[in-house]
Parts: sequence; structure tokens; C-alpha cells
Amino acid sequence: DAKTTQPPSMDCAEGRAANLPCNHSTISGNEYVYWYRQIHSQGPQYIIHGLKNNETNEMASLIITEDRKSSTLILPHATLRDTAVYYCIVRPNIETSGSRLTFGEGTQLTVNP
Amino acid sequence: GAVVSQHPSRVICKSGTSVKIECRSLDFQATTMFWYRQFPKQSLMLMATSNEGSKATYEQGVEKDKFLINHASLTLSTLTVTSAHPEDSSFYICSAEGTAYNYGYTFGSGTRLTVV
Repeated sequence: DAKTTQPPSMDCAEGRAANLPCNHSTISGNEYVYWYRQIHSQGPQYIIHGLKNNETNEMASLIITEDRKSSTLILPHATLRDTAVYYCIVRPNIETSGSRLTFGEGTQLTVNP
Repeated sequence: GAVVSQHPSRVICKSGTSVKIECRSLDFQATTMFWYRQFPKQSLMLMATSNEGSKATYEQGVEKDKFLINHASLTLSTLTVTSAHPEDSSFYICSAEGTAYNYGYTFGSGTRLTVV
């Protein structure tokens, strides 16, 4: 699986957009970019995923660069409840059953009042 | 949809005893389940992959005789920590992939194991 690099921590003011970057320069053509987050002492929660097009859902937006070597997760209006560790993960083809998710160190996002 | 229930959420046991953790997919069938361990201030580390009806595949360095995994049905996988020691104290998390693929893996809420 491709390795990802994320900043260890970020701060964001409540109500402002949180932009979390991720580098995945060795990503291959059939690998998707996934984002999960983990609130303290809970299991990870799926946020969003994408292959090459930008994606948006009710939680966030995912911007993937044209060369696919990096991406940005955007939380448009961060709240205190968004304080969590955010993990950017790449994994093989979405239809490949049983392929593992390998977690890096993630980014600790702290949303401040 | 895609809910994974993990039980218990917390457990305290004495050294030398065994503890069983259950992971259930509530509204889908899980052909593959994964077990992770997480130490304080660290990321999730994959311990093993279990496929329904077959033996689990353990990651390097994980003792298969100590961490027994059973995936006897499409909705239930169990992790048994045998002869637990204080160093086994950790946060254990399961995840499951459904037979009808949706959008990745769903995770349980985790089990905090404390061995005293």
C-alpha cells in the first residue's frame, strides 16, 4: 500500500474551514484515497473517499490533485465535535475484497472555541 | 446501514485469565474482519485478518496462540486474549467489510482491556 504523510497536528477556529493535507506521492493508479477520523477512545469513523475526482458529502469535501500525489480534506465549518485524529489512507482497488487498511500517524485536529 | 457492534466496551481482568471480545456486523454480512490494537497516543496496528470459515492471518510479531480469532459466521468474529498479562492492556478495535461493498470498512467502537 502507498505510504501517506500528514502533519502531526493542526488547529482550527470553530466555525472556520479546516483543511487537512495529505501527501501520497507513491499512489498507484488503482488506489483510492480514504479519510477516517478517530475521536478519543472510539473506533475510527469513515468520512469520505475518492479516486481522482473531487468528492463531497454531508461531512466533508475531498480535493485530489490532478497528479493524485496529494489530497486535502476540507471540513467546511468545523465544530468542537470535529476535534479528532484524522487519518488519510490509500488502499487498493475498491472492489478488492479483504484488502487491509494501514493506518499512519494521522493529524490531530483541535478545534478551538 | 453498515453497523458494527463490539462488546464489551471495557473489561478489567486478572493476569493469567482469558478475555473474549466480540465483533458483530448488525445489518450486513462480513466476509472479512480485521482486528487492530492501539496503545495510548499511537496509531492503530493491524493484528490479524479473519475470513469467515477459514483460519485468521496474523501480522508479523502477533502471537496466534495468544490472540485467538474465530470467524465462525458472516456476522460474528471473536478475539480471545489468552493468559493475559499487563502488557496486553490496550484498546482493541475490530472492523468489517460487507459482502456487498459500500464504501470501505466499518469499525466497532473498541474495547478497552486492562489487565491487572
